[in-house]
Amino acid sequence: AQTVTQSQPEMSVQEAETVTLSCTYDTSESDYYLFWYKQPPSRQMILVIRQEAYKQQNATENRFSVNFQKAAKSFSLKISDSQLGDAAMYFCAYRSSGWETSGSRLTFGEGTQLTVNP
Amino acid sequence: DTEVTQTPKHLVMGMTNKKSLKCEQHMGHRAMYWYKQKAKKPPELMFVYSYEKLSINESVPSRFSPECPNSSLLNLHLHALQPEDSALYLCASSHRGGDPNTEAFFGQGTRLTVV
Repeated sequence: AQTVTQSQPEMSVQEAETVTLSCTYDTSESDYYLFWYKQPPSRQMILVIRQEAYKQQNATENRFSVNFQKAAKSFSLKISDSQLGDAAMYFCAYRSSGWETSGSRLTFGEGTQLTVNP
Repeated sequence: DTEVTQTPKHLVMGMTNKKSLKCEQHMGHRAMYWYKQKAKKPPELMFVYSYEKLSINESVPSRFSPECPNSSLLNLHLHALQPEDSALYLCASSHRGGDPNTEAFFGQGTRLTVV
């Protein structure tokens, strides 16, 4: 079974600064997808960024980028120019590539609570 | 429309009540999910429906009864719940398949309190 570990229960950052959230995972599969979801106090889980394991290039979405190290099974999220609206719980998640092989399941990490200080 | 709509947003029910949670999406997704989330914890998968058929039940107690009447709707019927069932219940939907664009879209959840 796959596991996802987020070792930082809480992080804080000053507005406009950069912060990196860590995520490691364990799997025996070679093809899979990784996601970062954000859950603000409004409760809705919002996709921040996705990474396909077969792609070497790190995904980027505006101020959000990842550092994907497949051999090390590491998938960190970097938030640049942090804004007050970035304050939320961030979950790292894993999904198998094949639907029939547990591809319907998202395996979540425990989450990192990010505080943005003005 | 990339929305998953859940109703109600808040629900308080007694242990002898019967209630239902509703979820709706119009994105053409053929996979729909129920998750349970406790405070400051990640969501836990409860059920997965694929093409309106139940494909995964994560050993959820029978006091939770899912239903998928059509490809856009997902219900969760609740009966004789316990106080420990109080949680945020999240509905999600996605395309089915191995494409990465099958990321799940989540609703805002129903905050359930069992008294």
